[in-house]
Amino acid sequence: DAKTTQPPSMDCAEGRAANLPCNHSTISGNEYVYWYRQIHSQGPQYIIHGLKNNETNEMASLIITEDRKSSTLILPHATLRDTAVYYCIVGKSTGNTPLVFGKGTRLSVIA
Amino acid sequence: GAVVSQHPSWVICKSGTSVKIECRSLDFQATTMFWYRQFPKQSLMLMATSNEGSKATYEQGVEKDKFLINHASLTLSTLTVTSAHPEDSSFYICSPRQGWNYGYTFGSGTRLTVV
Repeated sequence: DAKTTQPPSMDCAEGRAANLPCNHSTISGNEYVYWYRQIHSQGPQYIIHGLKNNETNEMASLIITEDRKSSTLILPHATLRDTAVYYCIVGKSTGNTPLVFGKGTRLSVIA
Repeated sequence: GAVVSQHPSWVICKSGTSVKIECRSLDFQATTMFWYRQFPKQSLMLMATSNEGSKATYEQGVEKDKFLINHASLTLSTLTVTSAHPEDSSFYICSPRQGWNYGYTFGSGTRLTVV
């Protein structure tokens, strides 16, 4: 079973920041927080991941709370092409364990 | 880096026939391959895990004789759906992994429709 809880859907106005929350209260000390997104009929696309520090890349920022029980993915300037299902996943970077997908958040960016 | 090629992107087949899906890691060697399937409006569900040169490990409820996985090389893995039935219609996604210190990559998926 997925170890994360996300809202099923969110709307965001085009050009505004999209803030997607994720709860992972049972995360272990050696587990990372991964974010992927899936645009309709495509494979999952990597966005960002982190352990305990906040992370930023060209796509998004990841804010992880100090107790690591929750995180927020931030898309700074959402575009229509960011409409997708966003998955927050906790997993270990070591070993050959697969990522376990939950139901994700369906983000709709509205013009 | 970490380019994955999955073919075909979509296929329609008749009931009772077999379909082969290929997954290639183009610029890295995949020691482990994960295969997922996704039914409409649902999330990705892990079907099986295979390590190069070894037999695949299947998740509970996935028939190993129906979903044949071959991972004979570090750059190619195949999933064959044998004697396909309409209930096998789904979106199949491969996920090759280079090793423990690398990220998770995914193929673009194969939409299988069995008629």
